[in-house]
Amino acid sequence: QVQLVESGGGLGQPGGSLRLSCAASGFIFSDSYMSWIRQAPGKGLEWVSYISSSSSDTNYGDSVKGRFTVSRDNAKNSLYLQMDSLSAEDTAVYYCARAVVTTYYYYMDVWGRGTTVTVSS
Amino acid sequence: SDDLTQPPSLSVSPGQTARITCSGDALPKQYAHWYQQKPGQAPVLVIYKDSERPSSIPERFSGSSSRTAVTLTISGVQAEDEADYYCQSADSSGTYWVFGGGTKLTVL
Repeated sequence: QVQLVESGGGLGQPGGSLRLSCAASGFIFSDSYMSWIRQAPGKGLEWVSYISSSSSDTNYGDSVKGRFTVSRDNAKNSLYLQMDSLSAEDTAVYYCARAVVTTYYYYMDVWGRGTTVTVSS
Repeated sequence: SDDLTQPPSLSVSPGQTARITCSGDALPKQYAHWYQQKPGQAPVLVIYKDSERPSSIPERFSGSSSRTAVTLTISGVQAEDEADYYCQSADSSGTYWVFGGGTKLTVL
């Protein structure tokens, strides 16, 4: 079945780095846009980033632009999020999701269970 | 602004109809989509492209749109529908994706 499993969360230091991974299975990963979404404790969903199937197109939310980098390895069916210059405001559950993207609509049809990132000294 | 605005909460009794609205200036140019999130769980897509329903979602969930707003309707609300609901769309250029602030649906 279609499945996304995130890993790599944990405790990060302010100013430090973490790398999240997302393992995909049950669908043709190399044909799919992918996205990261996060949710701070007790808060709503916040879109973080997306990447096209070939990695040629990426984009980021304003709060992470310049600090986070999305990438993928289609041979390994894996999505990544490199998070640098971490701050307490990055504390959240991070979800990996498959995205359906056309000229007129963009939505996430499959979600992982999430991995928790806590930034604290 | 490309922000999406939702009411923070809504309460309905079982069997009633719940309507959750989402408004935003970009909605005339972009489709909107809806997600259900229960406590401790990942979000689930319940409506896409304003009014399309994934095959796994019960028929009591429906969506509609007007010029600058979209509405998620849950007909005959059941206790299991108690959850947070988020609308999602993109800015007018499609470059940035955005979520509404979420609506907590309480089934009395």
